[in-house]
Amino acid sequence: SQQGEEDPQALSIQEGENATMNCSYKTSINNLQWYRQNSGRGLVHLILIRSNEREKHSGRLRVTLDTSKKSSSLLITASRAADTASYFCATDALESGAGSYQLTFGKGTKLSVIP
Amino acid sequence: DSGVTQTPKHLITATGQRVTLRCSPRSGDLSVYWYQQSLDQGLQFLIQYYNGEERAKGNILERFSAQQFPDLHSELNLSSLELGDSALYFCASSVAGVGNTIYFGEGSWLTVV
Repeated sequence: SQQGEEDPQALSIQEGENATMNCSYKTSINNLQWYRQNSGRGLVHLILIRSNEREKHSGRLRVTLDTSKKSSSLLITASRAADTASYFCATDALESGAGSYQLTFGKGTKLSVIP
Repeated sequence: DSGVTQTPKHLITATGQRVTLRCSPRSGDLSVYWYQQSLDQGLQFLIQYYNGEERAKGNILERFSAQQFPDLHSELNLSSLELGDSALYFCASSVAGVGNTIYFGEGSWLTVV
């Protein structure tokens, strides 16, 4: 079953604009991660935010986490055509431990950046 | 390049057959994960191994099995294949468990005809 649900399912913007994607999840988590996937390729890790963190930056990426609302957002600033990809949030359950670690992915947001 | 190597990249096989997918984790990573990605189900966690032992099990069918060998490479065996098993199968690895970044390979495309 899907833990995270990304919103919107698809997003189309012009190069240079900002892109915001949202993720909601259902159960308490340890961490939330964002991944990018180019069509038919592997997933590339973008950023990890821990449950006790509220905001994190990495280059043009800004991630926020609101554990009270069980939601996260990924902001890509000054988007480029090369940012065209699907973006997934992934959560790990609070009961993970003892070497057991399972990420649950949402269905992703498909971002198209038009040159 | 994530450092996770998967073979084969593509394979086409007939219903009822058995295939083996192979994964070499990043150097130093003890945990290996298998995920299945299909259009209708999205990314589904199948199974996790840590240092040779099974640690977490997800939506893995009984027709599927996996193992992690002493050299930490892993294999996913898919048997009695059905058309619905056609998907992209990912292997991923991480140093250990919770809180660690999980690195994904490029995947193995399986087409069952």
